[in-house]
Amino acid sequence: GQQVMQIPQYQHVQEGEDFTTYCNSSTTLSNIQWYKQRPGGHPVFLIQLVKSGEVKKQKRLTFQFGEAKKNSSLHITATQTTDVGTYFCAGPGGATNKLIFGTGTLLAVQP
Amino acid sequence: DSGVTQTPKHLITATGQRVTLRCSPRSGDLSVYWYQQSLDQGLQFLIHYYNGEERAKGNILERFSAQQFPDLHSELNLSSLELGDSALYFCASSATRPPRHFGDGTRLSIL
Repeated sequence: GQQVMQIPQYQHVQEGEDFTTYCNSSTTLSNIQWYKQRPGGHPVFLIQLVKSGEVKKQKRLTFQFGEAKKNSSLHITATQTTDVGTYFCAGPGGATNKLIFGTGTLLAVQP
Repeated sequence: DSGVTQTPKHLITATGQRVTLRCSPRSGDLSVYWYQQSLDQGLQFLIHYYNGEERAKGNILERFSAQQFPDLHSELNLSSLELGDSALYFCASSATRPPRHFGDGTRLSIL
């Protein structure tokens, strides 16, 4: 079945350093979503990417959808302690309404 | 506050029992999604309803069932509970795909 993998599983950075998580799908995705889940919290929708090669920015966060629409990345510039949490990518599972979540990347930020 | 209400917040029960988890979507959202989150399986899609109709089914066990009522609230029924069913169950709602607003979840512990 379709798999969505993320690397790294865990990243520990010093506050102010940059952070990037990568998302790779075993199949081509029509679109991709990113979510953030704080420790003890629920997933929060961040963004949706639809077009091949699309790049979107939200303040210090930059999201990119690969040209082949099989991978995506999230880059955070100058991390802050408020960025702590697990970042998930998610893509549609085939021609259905299923949304397959990636394995997630847990970001820890040391002040 | 996402506007999605899940009850109860915590549920402790024994193997073999049956429980019902309830979700009230955000006002105006017709779609309701159910997800199971466990440490070893990540976020797993269970089922999606749109305006009372089942739209997609994920890795939902036969012991689990769900429905969406005319007032758009949804219930997830889990029966013949096993230790492995212990997890956090999230409901999410949205006006369109993808799921955008997650509830705080119901933490189910099977003893």
